[in-house]
Amino acid sequence: NAGVTQTPKFQVLKTGQSMTLQCAQDMNHEYMSWYRQDPGMGLRLIHYSVGAGITDQGEVPNGYNVSRSTTEDFPLRLLSAAPSQTSVYFCASSYRGTGHGYTFGSGTRLTVV
Amino acid sequence: GQQVMQIPQYQHVQEGEDFTTYCNSSTTLSNIQWYKQRPGGHPVFLIQLVKSGEVKKQKRLTFQFGEAKKNSSLHITATQTTDVGTYFCLSNSNSGYALNFGKGTSLLVTP
Repeated sequence: NAGVTQTPKFQVLKTGQSMTLQCAQDMNHEYMSWYRQDPGMGLRLIHYSVGAGITDQGEVPNGYNVSRSTTEDFPLRLLSAAPSQTSVYFCASSYRGTGHGYTFGSGTRLTVV
Repeated sequence: GQQVMQIPQYQHVQEGEDFTTYCNSSTTLSNIQWYKQRPGGHPVFLIQLVKSGEVKKQKRLTFQFGEAKKNSSLHITATQTTDVGTYFCLSNSNSGYALNFGKGTSLLVTP
């Protein structure tokens, strides 16, 4: 089925470990983005990309890296996990421009101990 | 990017009562989108408003965009238990790309 696929669904990391959250979409969307969702904080933008080879920072980029080598994939890398990065992470994609709704993945629940 | 303030943060209603959530901005918005997130789920796109004073309806849901394009509302008539979830508004930055969500309104509907 077409959509946004995130893996893994759940992950537990130790402080200092690194990992990559995967996001893939098969709708040929130019725009992709990563959010984290914490209780009482809503959804906060981490990084986004408007096309392959182009990325930019959102509201809370520290501690995270992204790259966009293909239209389909937009991985999020945690360089050295910290307990403050315990959160639910969502990837979203859309066609370029402001006239389209965003399709979200089902999320990755990350716990850093 | 532009920030929107969403109120109320929580709302608890009896089934059959109406519900309204509001998004307010200090600056003019190019457009506003609304999303619903069920408990344990992910945000799902509901609608986009673009024009000043625009009103759109989806069954029991009515969406409005203010004349000055600085505020928007989502009204649910005669709530049902299936309406439970968090409703978010989303505005674009001036560049059209960076997306800033309101903090959402969590709706609880009891039978």
